[in-house]
Amino acid sequence: AQSVTQLDSQVPVFEEAPVELRCNYSSSVSVYLFWYVQYPNQGLQLLLKYLSGSTLVKGINGFEAEFNKSQTSFHLRKPSVHISDTAEYFCAVTLSGNTGKLIFGQGTTLQVKP
Amino acid sequence: KAGVTQTPRYLIKTRGQQVTLSCSPISGHRSVSWYQQTPGQGLQFLFEYFSETQRNKGNFPGRFSGRQFSNSRSEMNVSTLELGDSALYLCASSLGLAGVIRQETQYFGPGTRLLVL
Repeated sequence: AQSVTQLDSQVPVFEEAPVELRCNYSSSVSVYLFWYVQYPNQGLQLLLKYLSGSTLVKGINGFEAEFNKSQTSFHLRKPSVHISDTAEYFCAVTLSGNTGKLIFGQGTTLQVKP
Repeated sequence: KAGVTQTPRYLIKTRGQQVTLSCSPISGHRSVSWYQQTPGQGLQFLFEYFSETQRNKGNFPGRFSGRQFSNSRSEMNVSTLELGDSALYLCASSLGLAGVIRQETQYFGPGTRLLVL
């Protein structure tokens, strides 16, 4: 069975500092990988996705992630965070060919401090 | 294009009642998936509908059911509500064309927050 582990439940960081949110997955078959962000009282917004091709994926709001197949990781990074990046971030996987079902990690709360 | 819309946004029910939530997907999207979000269990997949047929199902009891109409709008129903059903219910839509990689992203609505008393 597929699973997703987000290694940090909370990540505090100062404004303009870099940040990395970690995500590991387990699957014996090919997967597609996603990062979503959820602001308070809102739904999920797609930040970026890895389907195939280049392992470095760039997303919205200056975020990027790198797919590492050997380490089964898909860590999210941003070189300089803003207060407005404070939100909950979810890593998710879906099986290639079975894209209607996303399996989510438990989420990481990013707290950006002034 | 308008995004995914969900109605109602907030709902309060009592134990034992039933509830129906509605989701209108993005125009042209044929796949609708439902998720339950709770602080304890996180985001869990409920089911997916495509062309009025349930294509995937998560590990939820039979009290949770859904359907999809010919215009791709979907409803989910929870019967005999329990306190533990209190959650944010999220709907997501996608084009649903398996094998077409660029179209497999799911777009989420704002959710319906259900409180069971």
